[in-house]
Order: sequence, then C-alpha cells, then structure tokens
Amino acid sequence: DIQMTQSPSTLSASVGDRVTITCRTGQNINTNLAWYQQKPGKAPQLLIYEASSLESGVPSRFSGSGSGTEFTLSISSLQPDDFATYYCQHYHYFWTFGPGTRVEIE
Amino acid sequence: QVQLVQSGAEVKKPGASVKVSCKASGYPFTNFYTFWVRQAPGQGLEWLGTINSSGGATRTTLKFRDRVSLSRDTSTSTVYMEMDMLTSEDTAVYYCARARGVGNDGTYPFDHWGQGTLVTVSS
Repeated sequence: DIQMTQSPSTLSASVGDRVTITCRTGQNINTNLAWYQQKPGKAPQLLIYEASSLESGVPSRFSGSGSGTEFTLSISSLQPDDFATYYCQHYHYFWTFGPGTRVEIE
Repeated sequence: QVQLVQSGAEVKKPGASVKVSCKASGYPFTNFYTFWVRQAPGQGLEWLGTINSSGGATRTTLKFRDRVSLSRDTSTSTVYMEMDMLTSEDTAVYYCARARGVGNDGTYPFDHWGQGTLVTVSS
C-alpha cells in the first residue's frame, strides 16, 4: 500500500483567509491524486482530480498542485461553507485516502 | 442525473454477515467501475474494494480480502458488498461510489457517491 500523510491534521482559520493543505505519498504517483471535501453526516465530494483539475461545479477558489510525492490543496479565500474535513486520495493502481485535515473556525 | 441509492441501516451481531446494496441510475451502469469505501465513527475514509460493473472482476484491499465479496446484477444496475465475520470494529458508514471515467481498470477518483449505509455491530 502507498502511505499517505496530510498536514496539518487540524487547521484553524477565518473567513477570507488563504489556506493550504499538504498531502505526501510514500511513492511517486505522478498526478494520480484527488481531493475531497466532507461535511458531517454527508458523503465526500470530489473537488480536484489529476492533482490540479477542478471538478465541474466546484468554486474556483479551490486549486490543487503538485506531482510525484507532494501535493497541495489551496483555498484562496475561505468561505463559511468551506469549514469541513478535506481528504487527499491517490488512485495509482489502487486507492488510498489520506488521514484528513479538519478546517475549523478560528 | 447520476444517482447511487444504497440500502438501509443494518444492526448485526458479532460473527454475522451483512450485505449492502447500491442501485445506480442516470448513466450506463456497465461502463463504470464501482467502489466501496467505509468510515468508522469519527474516523477517516477507507477503500474496501472495486468491481468492474461490466465483467464483474473485483479487487479488494488486502486487509479485507478474506471477508469482503463484491458482486453486481447488471439487470438491475445494482452492486453488492457482503462482509463476513463482523466485529464491533466493522461498525461504520459504508459508501458506494462511481469512477469518474471509463475503462483504464477503473483507476479514477470517485465522482458520485451513495448516501451511505450505517452498519452497527453490537451484541
């Protein structure tokens, strides 16, 4: 299995802040990486695929970058609806999720 | 529109089995791989396995290879996840999800998800 880490595990921020979450993988996965947002009691929602492609319907304040073993998810100006947990996922032959980053109100 | 509708909540005793269904609609079912993911209370997401909705071939993560079986019924566009020998550690919400693309052995992220099925294992 490819190991996945995310940092930070919890992020405290305010509306309007720019936030960045980092995901690292244990081996090179090229750009086979996705980001999801999950709110309590709901299924995850795909935000970014192929490391940097924005899923249809996702606000443009979300962006992704990276390749190989290090990736980032950025939110340019945090909105009230963005307080949630974010997961990275690789889909390089198999599928593994990162442990998650909870974005909470500061 | 694409929909994945899962069966209802289950309560099982330790050692029992559970079978969760996921009925797909709004897209050509056999063109897309389907996945199963679970989430224990307060925990993260864990991929369980994948099924080729057309040919029926499956891949299961090593941890569950002896206890999880995946199947599908193309006549009803439904996939099933059965887990045996349940313990309290299997208490979780189980999700089905669809691959974002076609072919390529299903190596895509998941673009549509079911609503989740809570499986509670308790004596």
